[in-house]
Order: sequence, then C-alpha cells, then structure tokens
Amino acid sequence: AQKVTQAQTEISVVEKEDVTLDCVYETRDTTYYLFWYKQPPSGELVFLIRRNSFDEQNEISGRYSWNFQKSTSSFNFTITASQVVDSAVYFCALSEGMTNDYKLSFGAGTTVTVRA
Amino acid sequence: NAGVTQTPKFRVLKTGQSMTLLCAQDMNHEYMYWYRQDPGMGLRLIHYSVGEGTTAKGEVPDGYNVSRLKKQNFLLGLESAAPSQTSVYFCASSSWTGGTTYEQYFGPGTRLTVT
Repeated sequence: AQKVTQAQTEISVVEKEDVTLDCVYETRDTTYYLFWYKQPPSGELVFLIRRNSFDEQNEISGRYSWNFQKSTSSFNFTITASQVVDSAVYFCALSEGMTNDYKLSFGAGTTVTVRA
Repeated sequence: NAGVTQTPKFRVLKTGQSMTLLCAQDMNHEYMYWYRQDPGMGLRLIHYSVGEGTTAKGEVPDGYNVSRLKKQNFLLGLESAAPSQTSVYFCASSSWTGGTTYEQYFGPGTRLTVT
C-alpha cells in the first residue's frame, strides 16, 4: 500500500504566484518523521525540511512554509511568491523510525513549473 | 567533506552484463541506502544497511545484491542486467542519535541504461 500520496502530478504557475503541494501519508506508528525533498532539473536531491510526529507546529522558512496536521495525516508545503528557480520536482517522504530502520517511503513527486 | 559520492555517473550495459555501483560517504553515518528512480514513481528502496557488515532488502531487491564491508562504502551489484533495470540510482546515508532520525543525504545519482 502506498504510504505517501502526492495527488498532484504537475503544477504550473506564473512567477510570483503561490503554490501549495499536497502530501498525505499513512502509518500506524505513533513516532514517525516526515520530509520534503526538492529535485531541480540538475537531478540532485536537496533536503528541505524534517518534521517529527510530536511536533505539529507549522514552520516558515523564507518563502517556504509547511502545514503539518496529524488529524488529516497531511504535511503540505507552500511556496510563496514563486520564482523560476523553484521549478523542480518535489517529493514528500515518510520514515517510520527505528522499528523500520529509518527507511524512507517516497511519494511519486509533484513537478512544479514556474513560468516567467 | 565530499558528502555522498557515487561512481560511475553514467553507464550503458548490454543485457546480461554485470556491474557494480560504488557509494562512499565521509560523514561516519551508520545507515546507507540504495534507491532507484523511475519516471512517475518517486524513489523506491532497493537495499539498505544499518551498519558495517549488515544488509537488508528494501521494496524492490530482485536482481540486485549489496555489500557493506566498510562503514563508509556501500556497493550495489547487478549480476545480469536487464532492460527493466534502466533507471537512475541514488545512494543515501543518514545517522541517528538517541532514537531520532536525521535526514538522508543523497549522492548525485548514477544513470544506468541497459540495452
């Protein structure tokens, strides 16, 4: 069963628009970790954020913000005032902790295209 | 620090050939992972290791073998390559302290084509 679902395959926006990426996860563990990674056209995977299941506080980092809601098993990511350099594939991932050897289950990714 | 490095960056194999992908990390991480990335499927875990001398199967282990003889190195082997193994392969490493996992650091990837 898919543990991480990113329902949006592709999103296209014009520069300066906000874009929100959805991520829904599934786990029975009470301790788990959620991640967002960015994969720009150059291909490398860039870590963006980590959240543990005990910390539902939302976070803002520059133009990036994250909304973690355990009640809906969602960990959504928003880019405010998007820029062309934000064009990339974004992956949400789940780690179920020590009991699962900290393996990551990735969503299929959302391709974001920001047009000038 | 070089972080996580992968060798080679590109490779073309013919069906039935064998090869080994090398992953090296200089961060003294306990955990190492091999993933493959195919279009529209995200990254899928092939094999992983929780420490020197250990290996375990991931989600898609068939057709691959791994070894972790040294803590800093994790090798991925294809004994008899098949076209279905055409993919981009990523190695990653991570550490944990007191039961808290930290992010996985990824290598730059190896693009493998099997004809």
